[in-house]
Amino acid sequence: AQKVTQAQTEISVVEKEDVTLDCVYETRDTTYYLFWYKQPPSGELVFLIRRNSFDEQNEISGRYSWNFQKSTSSFNFTITASQVVDSAVYFCALSEAGTGRRALTFGSGTRLQVQP
Amino acid sequence: DAGVTQSPTHLIKTRGQQVTLRCSPKSGHDTVSWYQQALGQGPQFIFQYYEEEERQRGNFPDRFSGHQFPNYSSELNVNALLLGDSALYLCASSLGLSQGALGEKLFFGSGTQLSVL
Repeated sequence: AQKVTQAQTEISVVEKEDVTLDCVYETRDTTYYLFWYKQPPSGELVFLIRRNSFDEQNEISGRYSWNFQKSTSSFNFTITASQVVDSAVYFCALSEAGTGRRALTFGSGTRLQVQP
Repeated sequence: DAGVTQSPTHLIKTRGQQVTLRCSPKSGHDTVSWYQQALGQGPQFIFQYYEEEERQRGNFPDRFSGHQFPNYSSELNVNALLLGDSALYLCASSLGLSQGALGEKLFFGSGTQLSVL
């Protein structure tokens, strides 16, 4: 069965600090996608990034970057030079080919507080 | 371009009652999924609708049912409400299964906060 673990319940940083959110996943499928979503106080989940299981190349997109390592089943997400507007709950999620294309399995989330 | 809209925003019910939540997908999207998010937890998949049929279902009892209309909008119905049904109910839309590849991103609404007393 698929599972996503976000061990960090809450993180507090000062503005301009870099912050890394950890995500560990479990799956028996060889074809899957990993996602990061952001949930601000308004409630809606906002898509940030995604990675498929065949592409371990790590990338940077603006202030966001991610580190995908199949060997350790980890998909960590880094925000560089954090800003107060980054304060939100961040969710890591997994989508497997075997369970359907859009049934996401979410972790329990990490609350990020960026202090000015 | 309107995003995913959900109604109502908030709802208060008592145990045993029935509730209907509504969702309009993002323009151009024809697949709707529903998720339940308990306080302090990640969203959990309830079910997905495409072409007016339930295509996939999560681990939720039959008290949870849904419907999709020809205009792609959707309803989530919950019968015989329990205290444990209190949660934020999120609707997400995406492109059709015939068009989308595995891993297509979902667009979420702001949710309906259901409180069962």
